[in-house]
Amino acid sequence: DIQLTQSPSFLSASVGDRVTITCRASQGISSYLAWHQQKPGKAPKVLIYAASTLQSGVPSRFSGSGSGTEFTLTISSLQPEDFATYYCQQLNSYPFTFGPGTKVDIK
Amino acid sequence: EVQVLESGGGLVQPGGSLRLSCAASTLDFSSSSMVWVRQAPGKGLEWVSALSSRGDDAYYADSVKGRFTVSRDNSKNTLYLQLDSLRAEDTATYYCAKCGGNCLRNYFEYWGQGTLVTVSS
Repeated sequence: DIQLTQSPSFLSASVGDRVTITCRASQGISSYLAWHQQKPGKAPKVLIYAASTLQSGVPSRFSGSGSGTEFTLTISSLQPEDFATYYCQQLNSYPFTFGPGTKVDIK
Repeated sequence: EVQVLESGGGLVQPGGSLRLSCAASTLDFSSSSMVWVRQAPGKGLEWVSALSSRGDDAYYADSVKGRFTVSRDNSKNTLYLQLDSLRAEDTATYYCAKCGGNCLRNYFEYWGQGTLVTVSS
C-alpha cells in the first residue's frame, strides 16, 4: 500500500499569511494526488486534484504542485474561512490512501 | 448543484449488521464510480470501498474485506454499503463520494454529509 505523510501536522498562522503544506508518498504516484479541506463537524471538500487542478468554485488563493513523490498545497493569503484540516490523498492505485492531515489554526 | 445524501447510520451491537444508502442527485450517476470513506471520532479519513459505474468491479480496504459489501442501483441513483460482523473499531462517520467518472487516477468530485455508525453494546 502507498503511504502518505504530511508536514507539518499542525500549523498556526495569521490571516494574510502564505501557508505551505507538504505531502510525501512512499512510492511514485505520478500526478494522481488530491487535496481535501475539512472543517470541524463538516464533510470533506475537494480543493485540488491531479496535483494542480483547482476544483470548480475553489478560490484561486489555493494552488497545488508536485509529481512523483513530493507535493505541496499552498494558500497564498490565508483567510478566516481557511482554518481547517487539510488531507492529501493518492488515487494512483487501490487501496486509496489519505495523509494523516494538517490542522491549520489561528495564531 | 449535485447533492449526495447518506442515510442508514445508527447504533448497532457488536456482531450486528447495518445497511447504508447514498442517494446522488446527478444526471451522470450511472456513468460515475462511487466510493465510501469513513472517519472514526477525532481521527483521519480512511477509504473503505469503491464500486465501478456498472457495479461489476468492487474494491475494499483490508480492514473491511469479507465483512462489508458495496452495491448500487442505477435506476434509483443510489449506492449501498452492507456492513456485517460489525466491530467497535467500525464506529465512524461514513461518507459517500461521487467520482468524476472512474475513481482510479481521477478524483472524488462530490462528498456527502456523512452518516454516523456506532458499534457498542
